[in-house]
Formats: sequence, structure tokens, C-alpha cells
Amino acid sequence: GESVGLHLPTLSVQEGDNSIINCAYSNSASDYFIWYKQESGKGPQFIIDIRSNMDKRQGQRVTVLLNKTVKHLSLQIAATQPGDSAVYFCAEKRRGSSYKLIFGSGTRLLVRP
Amino acid sequence: NAGVTQTPKFRVLKTGQSMTLLCAQDMNHEYMYWYRQDPGMGLRLIHYSVGEGTTAKGEVPDGYNVSRLKKQNFLLGLESAAPSQTSVYFCASSNPTLPSADTQYFGPGTRLTVL
Repeated sequence: GESVGLHLPTLSVQEGDNSIINCAYSNSASDYFIWYKQESGKGPQFIIDIRSNMDKRQGQRVTVLLNKTVKHLSLQIAATQPGDSAVYFCAEKRRGSSYKLIFGSGTRLLVRP
Repeated sequence: NAGVTQTPKFRVLKTGQSMTLLCAQDMNHEYMYWYRQDPGMGLRLIHYSVGEGTTAKGEVPDGYNVSRLKKQNFLLGLESAAPSQTSVYFCASSNPTLPSADTQYFGPGTRLTVL
């Protein structure tokens, strides 16, 4: 069952379409960003990361874009599949902090068959 | 590798009872963390450890204690449970010496209900 995400923003997409999930971060001193995927009843799973010296990074079917000017991060999922349905959230690390991540509350992605 | 494991998966306590949540990782990671996750909120750090024998307070440490007697284990204790501690608890670990040093890997979670 869900204990997270009762009031989360939701993105509903058709299977096969591309998904774009957005995240705004608050601190210009953040130098590292991670996207996590959390399926119902499971722990967060690492998807992709990006450092602040990059604007874009690609993985398998996923791309992360970083816009430092407006402090915005996005996750693009190509050809969205039913297995992509989950809550996605970003995390940021402040420069100089060796361990501490600040987590967003997340976006729920629903994939319609 | 099993990664990060947590026991138990579920637990129901009465107010005032105590319990210990166990986290184990087999990745030889130096850093370990305990978070709680509540509806509509991001993960909040309770306590963390940067090595065997060391622990430190996170964002929401009150009502919890931790111990890291072995590198692979990180225990979270509730001495006197309160309904406000009803939550899902996640353990995570990371290795500061790796290229992806800042990435934290999570366990499956423990769902705790305090009545």
C-alpha cells in the first residue's frame, strides 16, 4: 500500500509516449542531483544522476536535464511503459556536504495502457 | 549482493513500547542513514553514520537512537514509541570513496504503526 504520495502531483501518460517530470531546487550551491523511482511498497531506486558542471545526461530510456539558471531539473522517460508507473523524486546535494541529500516530495507517474 | 536489507518489514506498536529496526548492507559502504517518509513529504533524515562506531543527528532525531557497532549494520531504536512516529522508515548507505560517492542506496523500508 501507499504511505507516500497521498497529495502528490500526478502525471498521466499514454503507454509509448514520452514523459517529462520536473523538479525545482532551491539552493544555487547544490552541485549534485539524483532522480529516484519509488514503486508502491518499495524503497527508492536510483535512476540517474547529474553533476552541476553538466547540462544533460542520458541513460537507458532516461535523460536528465539541468537548468542552473532557473534551478530546474527534469527527467525525461522515452517510450513510457507500464512498469514506469511509480513516484519519482529528485534529490540535491549542497556543495561542501559530503553526505546530506535534500529530497523533494515527488511526482506520481501513471501510465495508461 | 542483497544490497540494503531491513527487518522487520511491518510492525505495530502500542504507545510507550520500544523496538529496534535493523538495517544491514553487504556493499562495504562507509556511510549509513535512517530516514522516515510521511505522506506528501520528502524523505527526512533521522540519524546517520559516517563509519563504524560513529553516529550523528540528522534533521528529525528526537525520539530515536542509533548504533553502528559493525560496519555493515545500523540500528534504529525507539525507546518509547509515540503515534507521531507512525511512518515508513528507510535505511540507506553510500560509499564516499566511489566515483558516485554521493549516491545513496535504499532498503525496502519498514512500515511502523504506533497505536
